[in-house]
Amino acid sequence: AQSVSQHNHHVILSEAASLELGCNYSYGGTVNLFWYVQYPGQHLQLLLKYFSGDPLVKGIKGFEAEFIKSKFSFNLRKPSVQWSDTAEYFCAALNTGGGADGLTFGKGTHLIIQP
Amino acid sequence: DAGITQSPRHKVTETGTPVTLRCHQTENHRYMYWYRQDPGHGLRLIHYSYGVKDTDKGEVSDGYSVSRSKTEDFLLTLESATSSQTSVYFCAISEKRQSAFFGQGTRLTVV
Repeated sequence: AQSVSQHNHHVILSEAASLELGCNYSYGGTVNLFWYVQYPGQHLQLLLKYFSGDPLVKGIKGFEAEFIKSKFSFNLRKPSVQWSDTAEYFCAALNTGGGADGLTFGKGTHLIIQP
Repeated sequence: DAGITQSPRHKVTETGTPVTLRCHQTENHRYMYWYRQDPGHGLRLIHYSYGVKDTDKGEVSDGYSVSRSKTEDFLLTLESATSSQTSVYFCAISEKRQSAFFGQGTRLTVV
């Protein structure tokens, strides 16, 4: 069965620090990969996605992620975080093979940015 | 934001009562999903639909049923609510099984 693992459940950083959130997936076939963000009290919003091609993908709000197939990883990065980046971040994977089932999510990383 | 409306947004219900949550979309997307979000578990798929009257079970489907009689509506029913079903429920839609767009969520409390 497909699974997604996020390494850090809670991360606390100061403003302007660099961010890297780890994500690994386990699936033998081809997957599409996503990062979603959930600000306090809000719904999930798509940050970025990877389907194919350039393994370095850029998303909104200055975020980027790198797909490393050999490591089954899709880590999220931002060079300099802001207080407004405080949120919950979810990595997700979608099996591109047959079937219609939805995204499989990691358990999330709660990011707190201190001013 | 994609046109997804969940109702109600908040509900408190008693153990053993039936509860129906509604997801309405105006995007004409084929795929619709119900997830629950719980601390420490992330989002888990309850049921999904790939067309009118075409539904299937997800990871945590026990105690839940769904119906999709129209493209735009996907209903989630708790036949007899239990305290373990206290959660935040999110509906999501997708056109080509690529990225999914999420609704605002329904906070359900079973007392």
